[in-house]
Amino acid sequence: DAGITQSPRYKITETGRQVTLMCHQTWSHSYMFWYRQDLGHGLRLIYYSAAADITDKGEVPDGYVVSRSKTENFPLTLESATRSQTSVYFCASSDWGSGRPEQYFGPGTRLTVT
Amino acid sequence: RKEVEQDPGPFNVPEGATVAFNCTYSNSASQSFFWYRQDCRKEPKLLMSVYSSGNEDGRFTAQLNRASQYISLLIRDSKLSDSATYLCVVKVRDTGNQFYFGTGTSLTVIP
Repeated sequence: DAGITQSPRYKITETGRQVTLMCHQTWSHSYMFWYRQDLGHGLRLIYYSAAADITDKGEVPDGYVVSRSKTENFPLTLESATRSQTSVYFCASSDWGSGRPEQYFGPGTRLTVT
Repeated sequence: RKEVEQDPGPFNVPEGATVAFNCTYSNSASQSFFWYRQDCRKEPKLLMSVYSSGNEDGRFTAQLNRASQYISLLIRDSKLSDSATYLCVVKVRDTGNQFYFGTGTSLTVIP
C-alpha cells in the first residue's frame, strides 16, 4: 500500500533554474493539493486539483505551475526558482467525494534554492 | 487576520499530565474541523476529526464551540510519544475543499 509518494525527497538547485516536484498517489483520490511549510507560517496552500485537468490557485500560487493529466499524478513546477522558494513542500490527497474530507500527506520534499 | 490561530507554545509537561490546546477560527462558514499531529521534519498526520458534539479517541478528547469559534484538544495521561506539534485545521464551506492550517502548538512530554 504505497499511498502517496513524493520525489525527490531532497533537492538543491540554483536561482533561476526550473524545478519539478513529483507527487503520486495510489488511492484514486479525486482531490490533490500542494502546500509549502515555512517557520512562522505553517502550511500554506499553493495549488489544488479537484480532478484530472481541473486545477485552481491557493493562497500562494505565484511562481508555481501545476498540471494534472492523470488522477494519480500532480507535479509542481517552479518555473524560475528563487531563494524565497526554499521550503518544505508537501503534497496531499483527499477523497472528499466520499464524504471524508480528511487530507493525507506525502513525506515532503525539502527544497533549497541557492 | 489568519483563518486559524493557535498558541504556539511550547508546552512542556511531565509524563502523566493532562494538557489542553485551544484554537480559534475566524470564518463562521467553517464546516469541518480536525487536529493533525506533526513530528519533527515529518508530514502532518490526521489525529482526529472534531464533531459538534465533541468526541473522544482513547486519551484524546476534542471539543468544538461554534458560538465562540474555537476548538480544543485535551490529552490525558501524556506519554513521551505524544511529543509533537499539533495542528488545528479548518475546512471552510464552498472553498473547494481547501483546508486552513494553524501554525501549530509544540508539545514536549518530559520523563
